[in-house]
Amino acid sequence: QSVLSQPPSASGTLGQRVTLSCSGSNSNVGSNAVNWYQQLPGTAPKLLIHSQNQRPSGVPDRFSGSKSGTSASLDISGLQSDDESTYYCAVWDDTLGVPVFGGGTRLTVL
Amino acid sequence: QALLVQSGSELKKPGASVRISCQASGYTFTSYSMNWLRQAPGQGLEWMGWIDTASGNPMVARGFTGRLVFSLDTSVNTVHLRINNLVFDDSGVYYCARDRGFGAFDVWGQGTPVTVSS
Repeated sequence: QSVLSQPPSASGTLGQRVTLSCSGSNSNVGSNAVNWYQQLPGTAPKLLIHSQNQRPSGVPDRFSGSKSGTSASLDISGLQSDDESTYYCAVWDDTLGVPVFGGGTRLTVL
Repeated sequence: QALLVQSGSELKKPGASVRISCQASGYTFTSYSMNWLRQAPGQGLEWMGWIDTASGNPMVARGFTGRLVFSLDTSVNTVHLRINNLVFDDSGVYYCARDRGFGAFDVWGQGTPVTVSS
């Protein structure tokens, strides 16, 4: 049972914009910056967004992060076939004193 | 560029121990803490703990207390994870990951699969 809640699956068509959600609580999403990771099958996760809405070097600006209250979102615009991955949200939890993760959303590009 | 290279896959029996290594290169090793995460088959990511590479101080996540040992060898920019008294549920892929700050893991090892089987 993950501390953060993510829908297990989502889908979109090529070129479309999709939004992936991540729900937490006041002690985590509500208090701290959210990070997002992309994981292709059989590979290590890759940091996609950190500090809520900052992209590491090399991450296209098609990816953006935002937060409202205890919910965070990852927007992917101009969906491409190689965006088909599992996306995890993660954030520091002040009560637990550890980083916590969502269960991941598997994105299918139709 | 920063790189983390982990040791190879392991097959262990229940009750045994396993040690996984993670060697860093391409950056100042002691400037970033090193974290360990686990991913059970078909499951999400679970944070296991970290080690302060400057001081050697470890922090183990509550669910793993007593069975994990983090260590480091700064002479070869390497951290080690030892898991004692393995159980079947310890099977999965173990990752080391560098923390750029505030739990943002920006460099990951390739993962070490561990299988616990009798």
